[in-house]
Amino acid sequence: SQQGEEDPQALSIQEGENATMNCSYKTSINNLQWYRQNSGRGLVHLILIRSNEREKHSGRLRVTLDTSKKSSSLLITASRAADTASYFCATDARDNTDKLIFGTGTRLQVFP
Amino acid sequence: KAGVTQTPRYLIKTRGQQVTLSCSPISGHRSVSWYQQTPGQGLQFLFEYFSETQRNKGNFPGRFSGRQFSNSRSEMNVSTLELGDSALYLCASSLVAGYNEQFFGPGTRLTVL
Repeated sequence: SQQGEEDPQALSIQEGENATMNCSYKTSINNLQWYRQNSGRGLVHLILIRSNEREKHSGRLRVTLDTSKKSSSLLITASRAADTASYFCATDARDNTDKLIFGTGTRLQVFP
Repeated sequence: KAGVTQTPRYLIKTRGQQVTLSCSPISGHRSVSWYQQTPGQGLQFLFEYFSETQRNKGNFPGRFSGRQFSNSRSEMNVSTLELGDSALYLCASSLVAGYNEQFFGPGTRLTVL
């Protein structure tokens, strides 16, 4: 079963707008990661946030983590057509199963 | 530094056959993980290898197996293929065991007819 559930499932925006994706998970975690996947290809690591961090930035990306709500959000500012992809959160559950578990993903479409 | 490579990129098999997929991690990476991605189930963890030892295994039947060689290259094998095994199989490598940043290969698209 998947640890993370993302919403929305799909998001369509215009270039220049901001895109926000949310991820909820079930168990305690050590860290949470966000990945991007272009259609039918491998995943690309975007950012990792540790359980003791609340916010992290990388370029146009901003990730927040709320461990009390077991949720995270990924904000992409000033989106570009090249940001069109699926975005996944992934968590390593602190339940001794020692697995990296991916969420269901958000499909982002950025129109030029 | 070369990225993670997977071979073959595309594969078509029939039910009942077996298949072996190969993954070469980034040089110096000792951990290799395998994932299955399907539209219905999403990304599912198969197993992780570190220093030739399987560290963890996902909830897949015994038909799915893998191994890692001394040069960290890894193979996964699926025997007695079923239609439901059609998927994109992704390999990821990382420097150490555990789940920090993972570097993914382009995947092998397996179609079972």
